[in-house]
Amino acid sequence: GQSLEQPSEVTAVEGAIVQINCTYQTSGFYGLSWYQQHDGGAPTFLSYNALDGLEETGRFSSFLSRSDSYGYLLLQELQMKDSASYFCAGLSSNTGKLIFGQGTTLQVKP
Amino acid sequence: GAVVSQHPSRVICKSGTSVKIECRSLDFQATTMFWYRQFPKQSLMLMATSNEGSKATYEQGVEKDKFLINHASLTLSTLTVTSAHPEDSSFYICSARDGLAGGPYNEQFFGPGTRLTVL
Repeated sequence: GQSLEQPSEVTAVEGAIVQINCTYQTSGFYGLSWYQQHDGGAPTFLSYNALDGLEETGRFSSFLSRSDSYGYLLLQELQMKDSASYFCAGLSSNTGKLIFGQGTTLQVKP
Repeated sequence: GAVVSQHPSRVICKSGTSVKIECRSLDFQATTMFWYRQFPKQSLMLMATSNEGSKATYEQGVEKDKFLINHASLTLSTLTVTSAHPEDSSFYICSARDGLAGGPYNEQFFGPGTRLTVL
């Protein structure tokens, strides 16, 4: 099976940089995805790491280390609109299923 | 990008009734669709995997007779919550994977979700 752990809450100020960590235990792990979800909305895809290293997409970057079973999402130049829940999700190579972590609620303050 | 729609977006029903939720891939063929449930302030929990033309695969603890899934075409999967009760009130989200996209990883595209309230 799979389990993913991430902090429940993170608070940061506008303009700052924040890192949301995700550790996982999984069999048949294929890659790590990150999703953003605003209150009442559906998850939106942010990034995906299949290989070790850093993937950069604008203000967001995601990192994966398979040897450490660890990844993180880095958000730079935080804006108020970044206040949302962020989920890491592991993709199983055996089943193609996405298993979500419990989510991290990010609160951006002025 | 690929678009997945869900209908209805919100439904309120009486206890004991059945509710059908539709999930459609609008501009791609989805050989596999997934159904998730999300309670307030919690994560998305995978309920079942729906493959076109075959029976759905349910996750442990999900009652297949209560949550009926039909994936009759490459663009439509339906979830029917039978004899709904207040504890079934939740946010139901589907996702679809592009069956024709190449490579071992196919991104899942999420629908906007359906909020079910059972009175």
